[in-house]
Amino acid sequence: LAKTTQPISMDSYEGQEVNITCSHNNIATNDYITWYQQFPSQGPRFIIQGYKTKVTNEVASLFIPADRKSSTLSLPRVSLSDTAVYYCLVGDQRNAGNMLTFGGGTRLMVKP
Amino acid sequence: NAGVTQTPKFQVLKTGQSMTLQCAQDMNHEYMSWYRQDPGMGLRLIHYSVGAGITDQGEVPNGYNVSRSTTEDFPLRLLSAAPSQTSVYFCASSYLGRGRANTEAFFGQGTRLTVV
Repeated sequence: LAKTTQPISMDSYEGQEVNITCSHNNIATNDYITWYQQFPSQGPRFIIQGYKTKVTNEVASLFIPADRKSSTLSLPRVSLSDTAVYYCLVGDQRNAGNMLTFGGGTRLMVKP
Repeated sequence: NAGVTQTPKFQVLKTGQSMTLQCAQDMNHEYMSWYRQDPGMGLRLIHYSVGAGITDQGEVPNGYNVSRSTTEDFPLRLLSAAPSQTSVYFCASSYLGRGRANTEAFFGQGTRLTVV
C-alpha cells in the first residue's frame, strides 16, 4: 500500500481557500486517491476521490499532477464548521489485500 | 435508510472480560471493516471483510476476532479486554469494485470503549 504524508496541522481564517497537500511517492498504477473529513466524536466522512488531473464536487476540489506522486485537496472559502481532521488515502480495495488504511491526517483549524 | 449502525455507543469493561461490538449496515455493501482510534490519533484498521464468510486481518488484529455470516452484520469480538484496548471503535462499509477502486466508505458513529 502506498504510504501517505500530510502536514500534521494547518491554521486558516474564515473565507480563505485552504489547500492541503498529500505526498504519496509510491502510488501504484491502479491506486485511487480519496479524502475523508472527520469531526470530533464522529466517524470519517467521504469528501472526494480522484485518479488523475482535477476533480470537483460541491464540497471541494482535488488536484492530481501527472506523476500522481502527490495530491492537493482544496477547500474554497472555509468557515468555522470546516474545522476538522482531513485524511488522504491511497489504494485499491480490489487488490493489495483490500485494505483501506488511514494515516495521521491533517488537523485544520479555521479561525474567525 | 439507517446506514451503518453501531451498538453500544458507550461501554466500560473490566480487564479480562469479553464482549462483542455490533455493526450492521442496510446498504447491501460487500466491504465492511473495523477501525480503532486512540485519542488524538488516526484510524487503524483491525479487521475487514470483502463479503459474507470472508474476513482478513488489518494492521492491528491482535486481541480481536470477527465473523461475517451475513452481508449486513460484522461483529467485532474482544476476547479478553485489556486497558490498551481503550479506544473509540468505528465500523465502516462500502461497495467493492463496480469499476472503481475505492468507493465511498460509510462510517458508523462509533463505540467508545473503556477498559479498567
